[in-house]
Amino acid sequence: SQQGEEDPQALSIQEGENATMNCSYKTSINNLQWYRQNSGRGLVHLILIRSNEREKHSGRLRVTLDTSKKSSSLLITASRAADTASYFCATDWAQGAQKLVFGQGTRLTINP
Amino acid sequence: DTAVSQTPKYLVTQMGNDKSIKCEQNLGHDTMYWYKQDSKKFLKIMFSYNNKELIINETVPNRFSPKSPDKAHLNLHINSLELGDSAVYFCASSLREAQGPQHFGDGTRLSIL
Repeated sequence: SQQGEEDPQALSIQEGENATMNCSYKTSINNLQWYRQNSGRGLVHLILIRSNEREKHSGRLRVTLDTSKKSSSLLITASRAADTASYFCATDWAQGAQKLVFGQGTRLTINP
Repeated sequence: DTAVSQTPKYLVTQMGNDKSIKCEQNLGHDTMYWYKQDSKKFLKIMFSYNNKELIINETVPNRFSPKSPDKAHLNLHINSLELGDSAVYFCASSLREAQGPQHFGDGTRLSIL
């Protein structure tokens, strides 16, 4: 299975702290994407990192990719209550079908 | 303006019924998708269409039939609903197949009584 796995499954931190979520996958990829899902809403694309990139930033988000370990991490700095959501990584498959495969997500709770 | 809109937002119905979910995107994207998210938040692709042509059919039962009248619309019809069909169904679109960012609707929560 190409399915990615996020770690931890749930994370609870205080507002202002940094949150780190990890994603592992099994096959070679073209790119890896991170999405956020607020309760009762659809997924929102956050950031895309290509297989030849090692790090990418977007505002308070920092994503790293280690293709040798088949893993990625998402760091949210200076967390806010509005960051409370589920976060998913999604990978495509370099030699396979044109689809994204999502992990089961990390449920992030930011406590005020 | 909503980029990807799907209707209805909630669908409560009895086992054995037939129902449809509609999806429209106004982003000018070529590719549209249907995903199923189960109670454990696991999101799995069901179908994808590129310019009205079926690209991916991910071993979904024949009771599920997608239909794309044009590249801005992708509907999902479900026959003979079963208890296991209870889930949230998401429509999404992307500029091209799979490899770029996808834009999701807010989902249709289907509950089978």
